[in-house]
Amino acid sequence: QVQLQESGPGLVKPSQTLSLTCTVSGGSISGAIYYWSWIRQHPGKGLEWIGYIYHSGSTYYNPSLKSRVTISVDTSKNQFSLKLSPVTAADTAVYYCARYGGNDNRFDPWGQGTLVTVSS
Amino acid sequence: DIQMTQSPSSLSASVGDRVTIACRASQSISMSLNWYQQKPGKAPKLLIYAASTLQSGVPSRFSGTGSGTDFTLTISSLQPEDFATYHCQQSYTTPRFGPGTKVDIK
Repeated sequence: QVQLQESGPGLVKPSQTLSLTCTVSGGSISGAIYYWSWIRQHPGKGLEWIGYIYHSGSTYYNPSLKSRVTISVDTSKNQFSLKLSPVTAADTAVYYCARYGGNDNRFDPWGQGTLVTVSS
Repeated sequence: DIQMTQSPSSLSASVGDRVTIACRASQSISMSLNWYQQKPGKAPKLLIYAASTLQSGVPSRFSGTGSGTDFTLTISSLQPEDFATYHCQQSYTTPRFGPGTKVDIK
């Protein structure tokens, strides 16, 4: 079955760029009906959708983060990536990647999540 | 922009209890509502999609109802492994989650 795994630095300095990659295994990222997504969760808080990308490269972002977010896809590596810049301490969160779509749009499966701390 | 609310924000229950969690959308979302379960330190897990369809492998004690703006997740007989946080998510427009409901042990 499809599995997702996040990777990237766990510590980022304020004003710099947060960069994460999600590697998809067990299926092709070029599957026709899925959007590849990033979601974050601040400590002790709810889930916040960041954005998603279609394999063609079309992107959709949360308006509250749009000015700072870039999501890209590398179909040859079966990966997609998140860049968030510039970051502040308020961007400290667990970042998840997930597949979105199907006949009824839903997030499934999810990666295990990775904690990114923004601190000098 | 569709806002999602959940009630209660937390509840305490005992094994065997029937538990009901409500989710409300700020405008009609038809049946475009998903439920997720999240345990501490783990990623959310899809339980129910399209308001009432049980995800494969999810126990039948979980059920979902509702349409329009008001939705309910019910656990018919709470089991020890069900103590977790439950999130609703609307898929009618760009995704938005509710704030979550934490179910803990009474």
